[in-house]
Amino acid sequence: QSALTQPPSASGSLGQSVTISCTGTSRDVGAYEYVSWYQQHPGKAPKLIIYEVVKRPSGVPDRFSGSKSGNTASLTVSGLQAEDEADYYCNSYGGSDNYVFGTGTKVTV
Amino acid sequence: QVQLVQSGPEVKKPGASVKVSCKTSDYTFTNYAISWVRQAPGQGLEWMGWITTYNGDTDYAHKFQGRITMTADTSTSTAYMDLRSLKSDDTAIYFCVRDFLGQGNWFDPWGQGTLVTVSA
Repeated sequence: QSALTQPPSASGSLGQSVTISCTGTSRDVGAYEYVSWYQQHPGKAPKLIIYEVVKRPSGVPDRFSGSKSGNTASLTVSGLQAEDEADYYCNSYGGSDNYVFGTGTKVTV
Repeated sequence: QVQLVQSGPEVKKPGASVKVSCKTSDYTFTNYAISWVRQAPGQGLEWMGWITTYNGDTDYAHKFQGRITMTADTSTSTAYMDLRSLKSDDTAIYFCVRDFLGQGNWFDPWGQGTLVTVSA
């Protein structure tokens, strides 16, 4: 199963918004409402920020939001803050009990 | 709070095997699967497989089939990942994650990671 496609980088100024895309296929992103997003700061383990396409775990600021259209999922970070500078990875359930990650996007604030 | 604590760094020679442990706490171990994910230096995340802890069923990503084994010890709430025939490109940080398999299919939380270095 091929990795989901994300842009390598994205950037925005403090207070602005940035949107990251995650493109898969009709066998993964397009087939299931099981897209999740993870934030990873350098040297740290990834952290869940969005699950089931649009849901936020408790403690995750509402500046983070998720959506999906067809085979492409998106993560939007509104009101960018300095601590949002990190790598972001999408993940989708791909059927046959498998998962696939995105290629990752480095967000610069 | 829910924690996954992994074993320490390992240095192995090509062709050797490595076994990484993942001790969990503060949740019912058998209610969730455990997945393993690795990250090569400077690279992205790669899902390796999962184990359903209540019965030991496993599913491995195709590229690891034949040289990976995941196990779970319910008496100690600990999961293990054994990778054999190591090559230099197996050098990576290996993470265990609580897997909401069949319950929404996401990963939370993550272990701190275990660096495995494969070098002659």
